[in-house]
Amino acid sequence: NAGVTQTPKFQVLKTGQSMTLQCAQDMNHEYMSWYRQDPGMGLRLIHYSVGAGITDQGEVPNGYNVSRSTTEDFPLRLLSAAPSQTSVYFCASSPRQVNGYTFGSGTRLTVV
Amino acid sequence: QQPVQSPQAVILREGEDAVINCSSSKALYSVHWYRQKHGEAPVFLMILLKGGEQKGHEKISASFNEKKQQSSLYLTASQLSYSGTYFCGTESAGNQFYFGTGTSLTVIP
Repeated sequence: NAGVTQTPKFQVLKTGQSMTLQCAQDMNHEYMSWYRQDPGMGLRLIHYSVGAGITDQGEVPNGYNVSRSTTEDFPLRLLSAAPSQTSVYFCASSPRQVNGYTFGSGTRLTVV
Repeated sequence: QQPVQSPQAVILREGEDAVINCSSSKALYSVHWYRQKHGEAPVFLMILLKGGEQKGHEKISASFNEKKQQSSLYLTASQLSYSGTYFCGTESAGNQFYFGTGTSLTVIP
């Protein structure tokens, strides 16, 4: 099994550009989440989904959109990139909350 | 909503013990613990469910006091491989899951 696959691994954007970070899992997990990790701030929840067609906001959702049309995929869209969105982004999935999360390898995003 | 971890950083010599604490202001259903090596993704260590249980994983164990909304991770006889950043993660009402700010653990020979 591939687990959780994130693409791209690295990305540089100019301010105002939009892009989509891809996340796919092949474990048939219901729960999927996006986190951003900044130095000294740990992992902060952006958006999450408890199943196909269901998404909700986390603690830092502004500037990001998500959709969950299938169980496998959970893309994160940056609508208009800002330097404050420079971060490492992790996608994670879990069969349910009583199981641990499996993380993707991360996307390092720089907005200039 | 983010749980608070303490200490922020700790340095140990091989063989020493450490305790990392995680505290939340919300009622918790479960607490997870993860370890992240530099430049890598976090890796799941263990989960503790409501009921005040204690779990172990090799020489790493944890406890969960649901009344105090606190969890502690115990690392005994630390090894060089234990170095990394440890995160607690907490689940509360509404299916939301939040990670703490992390504790950097460095084990030196």
